[in-house]
Amino acid sequence: EIVMTQSPATLSVSPGESATLSCRASQSIGSNLAWYQQKPGQAPRLLIYGASTRATGIPARFSGSGSGTEFTLTISSLQSEDFAVYHCQQYNDWPPWTFGQGTKVEIK
Amino acid sequence: QLQLQESGPGLVKPSETLSLTCTVSGASISSNHYWGWIRQPPGKGLEWIGSIYYSGRTNYNPSLKSRVTLSVDTSKNQFSLRLTPVTAADTAIYFCARHVDYADYVRWFDPWGQGSLVTVSS
Repeated sequence: EIVMTQSPATLSVSPGESATLSCRASQSIGSNLAWYQQKPGQAPRLLIYGASTRATGIPARFSGSGSGTEFTLTISSLQSEDFAVYHCQQYNDWPPWTFGQGTKVEIK
Repeated sequence: QLQLQESGPGLVKPSETLSLTCTVSGASISSNHYWGWIRQPPGKGLEWIGSIYYSGRTNYNPSLKSRVTLSVDTSKNQFSLRLTPVTAADTAIYFCARHVDYADYVRWFDPWGQGSLVTVSS
């Protein structure tokens, strides 16, 4: 099973600043990584797939990068609606499809 | 617009069976995608439970495989989850989602249902 590890657990950022979230895979997954955003009381929403391709309707301030075992989600110029929990998920080697434990982006 | 909606009891007794149904609207469940269940214990991360194709082909998380059964009803555009026996550790929000099959490779989850909180308690 591929273990996904996200860091940090919590990230405190001021509105208008950028946030950089990390996701590490326990073995190489190529570019087979997705990112999701989850707001309180809501279901996760797909942000990024293929490590760097934005899903339909996702603003350009969200960008993904990385390959192999190290991945990054960058949110530039954080808006109030961006404060949420972000999850990464690998789909290279399955079953099982596995998620990271999440990074909470909170207002500083 | 594709939408998914979970339904089922919110409270289940220990050792009994958790049963949830996901109703798909806006698209046929008999499309070239899988349909999955994911759960999230309170304050914790996401765990994939299993996925099913409209033909009945399934994939299960090995950690839950002995207790999980997925089924599909194409006439009702629904798929279902059965987990038995349950313990308090199965208390979670249960989400259903389309498990996207792109180029014959099952990949990410999109979209998701709103989720259904199931509490296991006597």
